[in-house]
Amino acid sequence: ILNVEQSPQSLHVQEGDSTNFTCSFPSSNFYALHWYRWETAKSPEALFVMTLNGDEKKKGRISATLNTKEGYSYLYIKGSQPEDSATYLCAFTFGNEKLTFGTGTRLTIIP
Amino acid sequence: DTGVSQDPRHKITKRGQNVTFRCDPISEHNRLYWYRQTLGQGPEFLTYFQNEAQLEKSRLLSDRFSAERPKGSFSTLEIQRTEQGDSAMYLCASSLDGTGVNYGYTFGSGTRLTVV
Repeated sequence: ILNVEQSPQSLHVQEGDSTNFTCSFPSSNFYALHWYRWETAKSPEALFVMTLNGDEKKKGRISATLNTKEGYSYLYIKGSQPEDSATYLCAFTFGNEKLTFGTGTRLTIIP
Repeated sequence: DTGVSQDPRHKITKRGQNVTFRCDPISEHNRLYWYRQTLGQGPEFLTYFQNEAQLEKSRLLSDRFSAERPKGSFSTLEIQRTEQGDSAMYLCASSLDGTGVNYGYTFGSGTRLTVV
């Protein structure tokens, strides 16, 4: 059984503050890690796909790092804005066609 | 192309009724996936198609569930004799490649099923 764990489950952050959260996944047979942002009533939006140990990716104020040896990824948001409020999902794959998702981190930005 | 679309957005049904959901993927995507998200959980894989062939089904997909992709374009997911435990968000995704590494997976906004 593959377990992908995300922490914290939920987070309230003041507008303008920076924040980060964690995704833990099995380190054996790793192939790729995906991050998604899912706003209420919308489709999950792909943020990053990461495959290499030590990978760092950035998209605007959001960045992510990957450690495949110890099985974790961090997602960082710099200078949080109200539009960052969403559930952030990570998903692991070991090269087959299936994504195994974590339960998500629900982020609320307080204006 | 406006992305992956799912219909209906919401469905309320009585226990024991049959329901069918539709997913229209991005037109050039040959892979199509169904996931289910229940309260407090992340999305869980149900099944996927490469063109019209259903290549894998999760153990979550009981005999009451059937999925089709008749011409390798849109897909339907049918649930027969619905149970309250079927209440969930049903997500569809499509992709150009199977691993999602090169082209990613594009998700629809889901069908929320409530069984009363």
